[in-house]
Amino acid sequence: QVQLVESGGDLVQPGGSLRLSCAVSGFSFSDYYMSWIRQAPGRGLEWISYISNSGSTIYYADSVKGRFTISRDNAWNSLYLQLNSLRAEDTAIYYCARESTSSPDVFDLWGQGTLVSVSS
Amino acid sequence: SYVLTQPPSVSVAPGKTARLTCGGDNIGSKSVHWYQQKPGQAPMLVIHYNSDRPSGIPERFSGSNSGNMATLTITRVEAGDEADFYCQVWHNTNDHRGVVFGGGTKLTV
Repeated sequence: QVQLVESGGDLVQPGGSLRLSCAVSGFSFSDYYMSWIRQAPGRGLEWISYISNSGSTIYYADSVKGRFTISRDNAWNSLYLQLNSLRAEDTAIYYCARESTSSPDVFDLWGQGTLVSVSS
Repeated sequence: SYVLTQPPSVSVAPGKTARLTCGGDNIGSKSVHWYQQKPGQAPMLVIHYNSDRPSGIPERFSGSNSGNMATLTITRVEAGDEADFYCQVWHNTNDHRGVVFGGGTKLTV
């Protein structure tokens, strides 16, 4: 079954850290670029990070640069997002999404998301 | 930074045509993608590369892109089409590349 399954979301205090995972199945993970996209409660979509299929190219949104780190393990078919120095405004559902190397720039499959809540 | 502007809401009667717009500076030079998000669900791709439909998306969904405006058109609107819709592009600058989403349009049927 072709799917992306996020995990790792939790309630964390401001300044805390969290590691999100996205487990991939049903397709060749190494053929896809991947991104993390978040959605604050009642708000729109915000892209936060991209990683190429080899992991050699990475981009971040300014809102998370220096605090979040994206990585992937193609052998384990997994994508990760390390969240450090968390703030209340980081509270959101975090989605992983794939982007085909043959049809780039578009997210053709999304996971169901994992909720990160930052509060004291 | 690049900005995509969508109207917050659009209302349409069942069976009529809905036109959802996405404005951006010279957006016609970019590839625009559209996503539908129903309450409690993840977004789903409905139009890619301005006007192409992924497999499984009804022919009632179509897209266009020219000048400073991209448009998602839904004909013969059904109650099940009610959702939030987001447009998306990639934006490149000299030293950065990133994804931009519009603020979203809530389609009410």
